Amino acid sequence: AQSVTQLDSHVSVSEGTPVLLRCNYSSSYSPSLFWYVQHPNKGLQLLLKYTSAATLVKGINGFEAEFKKSETSFHLTKPSAHMSDAAEYFCVVSFSGNTPLVFGKGTRLSVIA
Amino acid sequence: GAVVSQHPSRVICKSGTSVKIECRSLDFQATTMFWYRQFPKQSLMLMATSNEGSKATYEQGVEKDKFLINHASLTLSTLTVTSAHPEDSSFYICSATSGTEVGQPQHFGDGTRLSIL
Repeated sequence: AQSVTQLDSHVSVSEGTPVLLRCNYSSSYSPSLFWYVQHPNKGLQLLLKYTSAATLVKGINGFEAEFKKSETSFHLTKPSAHMSDAAEYFCVVSFSGNTPLVFGKGTRLSVIA
Repeated sequence: GAVVSQHPSRVICKSGTSVKIECRSLDFQATTMFWYRQFPKQSLMLMATSNEGSKATYEQGVEKDKFLINHASLTLSTLTVTSAHPEDSSFYICSATSGTEVGQPQHFGDGTRLSIL
């Protein structure tokens, strides 16, 4: 069975400081992992994905994530937060392209001016 | 690329009304589409999976006669909430994928806010 745990329901950072959103996963197979972002009353936008290639994945808007098999983690980072980064972030596990995604519960990122 | 359009973005209607939500893949063929429901401050809950030309697969606890899903073409899936009641008020989101390969991402619509009075 696959599962995803987002360790923080809410993270608050000051503008210009680093962002760390934590995600641990459990999967019986080699997983595909994604980070999606959701702004209020909007759908989900893909930030980045890991599919067993490079363990450090770069995404849009300056975000990146590192897949660590030994720690079963896929944490999302950004060197410098911007006000527009304030949103809900979801860590997601997938087995194949046409099977349902397994979502974490989400982490709300607040950015303080 | 990989744009999914969901319409309408917001619906307000009276109890007992049936509401149809459309999900279209604009620049790719969506072999599989998914319908989710999201309650305030919660994650997405999968309602059903639909493959083009076949019956949708509903998750446990989702009433298939209440939430009718049609995936008649490779670019369009519809969700009809029949005889909607206030407890059906929610944010509904669709997603679509073009393939079965490992790592193929799902692309999401912008969601539909359904409010039943």
